[in-house]
Amino acid sequence: GAVVSQHPSRVICKSGTSVKIECRSLDFQATTMFWYRQFPKQSLMLMATSNEGSKATYEQGVEKDKFLINHASLTLSTLTVTSAHPEDSSFYICSARDTFNYRGTEAFFGQGTRLTVV
Amino acid sequence: GDSVTQMEGPVTLSEEAFLTINCTYTATGYPSLFWYVQYPGEGLQLLLKATKADDKGSNKGFEATYRKETTSFHLEKGSVQVSDSAVYFCALSDPRNFNKFYFGSGTKLNVKP
Repeated sequence: GAVVSQHPSRVICKSGTSVKIECRSLDFQATTMFWYRQFPKQSLMLMATSNEGSKATYEQGVEKDKFLINHASLTLSTLTVTSAHPEDSSFYICSARDTFNYRGTEAFFGQGTRLTVV
Repeated sequence: GDSVTQMEGPVTLSEEAFLTINCTYTATGYPSLFWYVQYPGEGLQLLLKATKADDKGSNKGFEATYRKETTSFHLEKGSVQVSDSAVYFCALSDPRNFNKFYFGSGTKLNVKP
């Protein structure tokens, strides 16, 4: 099946620094990718929809300046957590669909990134 | 708006027991329905899916039927194994909106030997 690679899988950063998370579709192209956040023992909450070549669409309550999203190519979307604070510690997961080769409605998920801000 | 409601866990079963995890949804369109599984420390893996009413998705002994009349997509397995211990998420995909996914809260399954 299609593969979505997310990097890094774990990152620990100091409070006030920025962290970039990459999401790559390895064997397909995606004009749209999705970024989710998962708190411990809770479900995935959609943060934003990443659109290739245009601005991301953020869900209500998600700070655009805090979570910068860039979708510069059909295979890469990045999420940058700026000026990270301990409350940003979470599990971040991206997903993507194969835009140009129809494989049904399945979305493929990355492995997730465990962010810990100390 | 679209949403998914899933039974709360954790669910604890003995090996070879019958499993049911309830899932109901609210959608104005014609969504596709999914079950994803998340093993400890890992991302989500698609378990099964159904794209239209009365479809049955099945995989690895798990199955779920898309019931439009009851807006449900309950997950079942006849005989669980210890290796099935994981968190299970019911989800729907809205084809009208870039196939945005909406997830249920997740149900943790613990299977004891």
